[in-house]
Amino acid sequence: DSGVTQTPKHLITATGQRVTLRCSPRSGDLSVYWYQQSLDQGLQFLIQYYNGEERAKGNILERFSAQQFPDLHSELNLSSLELGDSALYFCASSVAEGGSSGANVLTFGAGSRLTVL
Amino acid sequence: QKEVEQDPGPLSVPEGAIVSLNCTYSNSAFQYFMWYRQYSRKGPELLMYTYSSGNKEDGRFTAQVDKSSKYISLFIRDSQPSDSATYLCAMKRDTGRRALTFGSGTRLQVQP
Repeated sequence: DSGVTQTPKHLITATGQRVTLRCSPRSGDLSVYWYQQSLDQGLQFLIQYYNGEERAKGNILERFSAQQFPDLHSELNLSSLELGDSALYFCASSVAEGGSSGANVLTFGAGSRLTVL
Repeated sequence: QKEVEQDPGPLSVPEGAIVSLNCTYSNSAFQYFMWYRQYSRKGPELLMYTYSSGNKEDGRFTAQVDKSSKYISLFIRDSQPSDSATYLCAMKRDTGRRALTFGSGTRLQVQP
């Protein structure tokens, strides 16, 4: 158990629907990162939050949004779902903000597998 | 062109073999180089990381970085069936962009 908790583990939904994925970071970690993993694209960085504030954006679609709450848990909202959104969504956490020097080691959760039919 | 390229495999080796996994990259600003291991239906877990060029050893695992060639490697000695997993390289700049940039992963199968 990495200490990063993601729910749900599996989700099956239809095109056009909206889902919310939830992540609780490891105790003491202030940064949360969301990644999407698909077969042909590998791990793609979506967005990062640090202590409740957005810090960096990657290849996140406008249909997707995220937030980090005061208790540091984070939610990733995916709307107007398309078949191509089917993927594993990982949350990772780290202690530091990651912008300064340092390796910024990420600890990953087990992922949420989204299937859009 | 992707910033980080990694052969997807699969790579199949017999138990006890030496395994070599590699990544190439294009962004010379990368300074931290990491290797993550991902078992099926699990999240990636950090194996080891190195800063700038050089070698780092941890048990049966050795990481090498050649910044002049923009090429990194992970060697696994005396490979075991339990090493069967997908290995992802990841990289980060010294400052600036906070998130890691990952390769697409190489699937390794160690046959008993």
